[in-house]
Amino acid sequence: GAGVSQSPRYKVAKRGQDVALRCDPISGHVSLFWYQQALGQGPEFLTYFQNEAQLDKSGLPSDRFFAERPEGSVSTLKIQRTQQEDSAVYLCASSLDGTSGIEQFFGPGTRLTVL
Amino acid sequence: DQQVKQNSPSLSVQEGRISILNCDYTNSMFDYFLWYKKYPAEGPTFLISISSIKDKNEDGRFTVFLNKSAKHLSLHIVPSQPGDSAVYFCAASAGNTGKLIFGQGTTLQVKP
Repeated sequence: GAGVSQSPRYKVAKRGQDVALRCDPISGHVSLFWYQQALGQGPEFLTYFQNEAQLDKSGLPSDRFFAERPEGSVSTLKIQRTQQEDSAVYLCASSLDGTSGIEQFFGPGTRLTVL
Repeated sequence: DQQVKQNSPSLSVQEGRISILNCDYTNSMFDYFLWYKKYPAEGPTFLISISSIKDKNEDGRFTVFLNKSAKHLSLHIVPSQPGDSAVYFCAASAGNTGKLIFGQGTTLQVKP
């Protein structure tokens, strides 16, 4: 399909393991966002790319979280030395551009469970 | 500090009646407000948005009202249908960054 895709859909990690979550945005979308959604809460902003440039990473909870989008298309969110509090659904969204009010299209998310 | 709040965790309405979902915000710099709908195991889907320069936007069965002085917005669904049963998120954005600040969500159940 032509929507945002994310892989894997589900990931179980032992505490201390590193994980990598992938996002394939809609073709041609300049902006890409990562959000974290804890159980029973709304999504919370993590980081934002415009093309390959990471313009805002103010939402990343610690330096264990790292995101990249080297060619301005696919993005990877990496979490090092996972902790139980990292368990959440990680959502990726893309939009034509990053300006306020422009609709963001979300992927189905990756559910991360850290044991 | 919760900048966007949805104080009702759940709402149940009868099919054919009106559903009203509410949202409050604290940041006066927000210039766009959006409603997203989410089914289990899927990502949020955009429903409708409103700019801060307007007080109403309508799209089919969905209408969003914005009261800037009260920092309050609401989503009206008329008539409600069983397929509308989902979690509804209110979100806001500001300035030249499109990052969205979400509320906690309201679970709507429409009974046949």
